[in-house]
Amino acid sequence: DTGVSQDPRHKITKRGQNVTFRCDPISEHNRLYWYRQTLGQGPEFLTYFQNEAQLEKSRLLSDRFSAERPKGSFSTLEIQRTEQGDSAMYLCASSLVVGGYTFGSGTRLTVV
Amino acid sequence: GQQLNQSPQSMFIQEGEDVSMNCTSSSIFNTWLWYKQDPGEGPVLLIALYKAGELTSNGRLTAQFGITRKDSFLNISASIPSDVGIYFCAGQLSGGSNYKLTFGKGTLLTVNP
Repeated sequence: DTGVSQDPRHKITKRGQNVTFRCDPISEHNRLYWYRQTLGQGPEFLTYFQNEAQLEKSRLLSDRFSAERPKGSFSTLEIQRTEQGDSAMYLCASSLVVGGYTFGSGTRLTVV
Repeated sequence: GQQLNQSPQSMFIQEGEDVSMNCTSSSIFNTWLWYKQDPGEGPVLLIALYKAGELTSNGRLTAQFGITRKDSFLNISASIPSDVGIYFCAGQLSGGSNYKLTFGKGTLLTVNP
């Protein structure tokens, strides 16, 4: 068990560019979550997958955001046409059932 | 959306002192969780509470799930320098959205050696 792995750890991009982040959950976990955290705030829920099905998307996720979990294993989060307001830490987490998740170390996005 | 009020926002203490922080909500939660986050890392689960009134310990950490299910507290005894970090409470609802966590804004703990 290597925990939840996220890649890259840091990403600096120019406004208007597209970015994609990857999350590899704990292998036996069927639930996967994406959260976003800005400075001085707690993480905020973005989206949830059970196996390959995306069961909920937060209103925080504009049309520029898309997440996938094609085979029920790893997941990707893509942001198109990035804006400065997208700068944040993007956290992935996984769990087996209801209860405490295991978070990854996050991807820090800076849009310049 | 849901809001958790976490206090205090920050604490500066001397090594060896005990610490207490709490979290309140206007809504009832089914589960309360306490996480610690170090700079540049994701939150790490410290304690999970599943029943109203439950008191749970993890080493020097003790947390309680309030009887009203609208609050929780975390105590750290005999603090040490590695306790430095941001502590978050998180609540989890029952029912259809029971997979979502609602986080407080965190308590920044600084321990002076």
